[in-house]
Amino acid sequence: QITLKESGPTLAKPTQTLTLTCAYSGFSLSTSRAGVGWIRQPPGKALEWLAHIYWDDDTLYSPSLRSRITITKDTSKKQVVLTLTNVDPVDTATYYCAHSGSSWTSFDHWGQGTLVTVSS
Amino acid sequence: QSALTQPASVSGSPGQSITISCTGTSSDVGSYNFVSWYQHHSGNVPKLIIYEGSKRPSGVSDRFSGSKSGDTASLTISGLQAEDEADYYCCSYARSNIFVFGTGTKVTVL
Repeated sequence: QITLKESGPTLAKPTQTLTLTCAYSGFSLSTSRAGVGWIRQPPGKALEWLAHIYWDDDTLYSPSLRSRITITKDTSKKQVVLTLTNVDPVDTATYYCAHSGSSWTSFDHWGQGTLVTVSS
Repeated sequence: QSALTQPASVSGSPGQSITISCTGTSSDVGSYNFVSWYQHHSGNVPKLIIYEGSKRPSGVSDRFSGSKSGDTASLTISGLQAEDEADYYCCSYARSNIFVFGTGTKVTVL
């Protein structure tokens, strides 16, 4: 049974660095084609893909956030970490992590999401 | 990379069929058969209902079907039911090794 759970601060101040952790279970991120990505949804708005990391350490980033975002994995801890620098109120959103498996281009299991508010 | 274009809302009566379009470009939808669709009920987690254009994950109703023509992908819901009322998002893998989501469609069951 694949599960993912996001954790991190619920509140961040503008210009701070936001670090979110995705703890996963039920799969190995060392298995061919496996991956974990981050997707966010600002209140009342659409889903937005942020980044993805694959079993072979291949990393993909949203062009609009490439300069501010980093995704890493620690397979021994079964965690994927997203770092977003210089946050702004527009980064206020529910942040989800999601698994991709044999179909490496779709997200078949999602975490419950974590709401992050950026405000001074 | 701009978001894929979806109609803001689509509605139908119970039992009817509706189709949601997802228009991209030759750099995303038109280049790959890697469009996925997600159903998102308010307060819940998005759920994968179609992957690789037309494939259904185990457990997803066969009332959901996906297709593609050129730069436009489509999701059809047949035999519309009250439980289908939700937001629906398409997503495509794109050139430059990125993913792009659609603008989202709110489905209302009349």
